[in-house]
Amino acid sequence: TQLLEQSPQFLSIQEGENLTVYCNSSSVFSSLQWYRQEPGEGPVLLVTVVTGGEVKKLKRLTFQFGDARKDSSLHITAAQPGDTGLYLCAGATTQGGSEKLVFGKGTKLTVNP
Amino acid sequence: DAGITQSPRHKVTETGTPVTLRCHQTENHRYMYWYRQDPGHGLRLIHYSYGVKDTDKGEVSDGYSVSRSKTEDFLLTLESATSSQTSVYFCATWSAAYSNQPQHFGDGTRLSIL
Repeated sequence: TQLLEQSPQFLSIQEGENLTVYCNSSSVFSSLQWYRQEPGEGPVLLVTVVTGGEVKKLKRLTFQFGDARKDSSLHITAAQPGDTGLYLCAGATTQGGSEKLVFGKGTKLTVNP
Repeated sequence: DAGITQSPRHKVTETGTPVTLRCHQTENHRYMYWYRQDPGHGLRLIHYSYGVKDTDKGEVSDGYSVSRSKTEDFLLTLESATSSQTSVYFCATWSAAYSNQPQHFGDGTRLSIL
């Protein structure tokens, strides 16, 4: 079974601080997706990184895919209360002839005003 | 966004009773998935479907069965619910199971087994 280790599990910071969430595995993934989930809702895709070494930016969020496609990180600059939520990484892998997503356990981020 | 409706949104039932959760999509996506989400475990795949009447097991399939008689509907059944199946259940669709495409999720069903 392929595992994605996501850290930290919980993160509570003050508005304006920077933070990084990590997603690590010993397995290679064809792509890595990052989702954000609000309470009472399902996860919603933020970004997909496909190429080893790829960096994508969404406003204050920077996503990076490791060169070996085994790890990824999410960096938030100058966090705001609106960034509060559960962040999930998911690696795409082929098992039994079908492609599936393997999810990390999530990082619950709280940004305090 | 894929229109995904899960029903019911909340359910409380007793141990030993059968429970069926429904997922309905309006986007004609081929692939459908059932996950459960528990604190400390993240999202874990229960069962998935790659077409009408084509289903397969995920990593936590024991105690669950699924059926897909139409493209738009994917049912998850707990034949005899146990307290360990108390969880939040999410349905997801994937248009083509390509790694650069997002899965689209419903808003979940909160199930409590007493």
